[in-house]
Amino acid sequence: DQQVKQNSPSLSVQEGRISILNCDYTNSMFDYFLWYKKYPAEGPTFLISISSIKDKNEDGRFTVFLNKSAKHLSLHIVPSQPGDSAVYFCAARGAGGTSYGKLTFGQGTILTVHP
Amino acid sequence: DGGITQSPKYLFRKEGQNVTLSCEQNLNHDAMYWYRQDPGQGLRLIYYSQIVNDFQKGDIAEGYSVSREKKESFPLTVTSAQKNPTAFYLCASRNRRDIGNTEAFFGQGTRLTVV
Repeated sequence: DQQVKQNSPSLSVQEGRISILNCDYTNSMFDYFLWYKKYPAEGPTFLISISSIKDKNEDGRFTVFLNKSAKHLSLHIVPSQPGDSAVYFCAARGAGGTSYGKLTFGQGTILTVHP
Repeated sequence: DGGITQSPKYLFRKEGQNVTLSCEQNLNHDAMYWYRQDPGQGLRLIYYSQIVNDFQKGDIAEGYSVSREKKESFPLTVTSAQKNPTAFYLCASRNRRDIGNTEAFFGQGTRLTVV
């Protein structure tokens, strides 16, 4: 059972416009949500995170929004740049019990930013 | 430089053989993780360890084994019982002592191919 889902396999955006990447989760026992960026044949690199007690976190061009009632989070990239083209993964961290510290990832979304 | 190192980058194995993937970190992190990536499936958790001499099964532990005898090292053994071992394997570590610290750092990955 996939607890963290990214339902859009790919997204194509024009340079300078906004990119919105979405992620849904089914378990409320997460304390942090994270976004990672990954290039082929490399390890993912951390972008931004948000605590489950917040609804927004911003870092430069990247903003993550968390809607707990909908169990949904999104990553906004404004303005999008061609160098942002990569696979983006959302992840959730287990808050306690047997899942404490467990990091669960979604399937990823391929973002392509066209010049 | 501090970081997390996976070796080798490419590994070939004959069917029926066990193989061990190395993961070493000098970040003084307590928590370490192993994931595999397959096309279209994102990152799936194999095993994780919160402290030395302790580890937990992830979502796809069958056919794999780990050990955590030292804080710096978390080797993963792919056994002959793993039916589809060909994949890209990623190791990560995280500082679980720093309250609010969320991000996990990833190695560059090992591409395992069964021939």
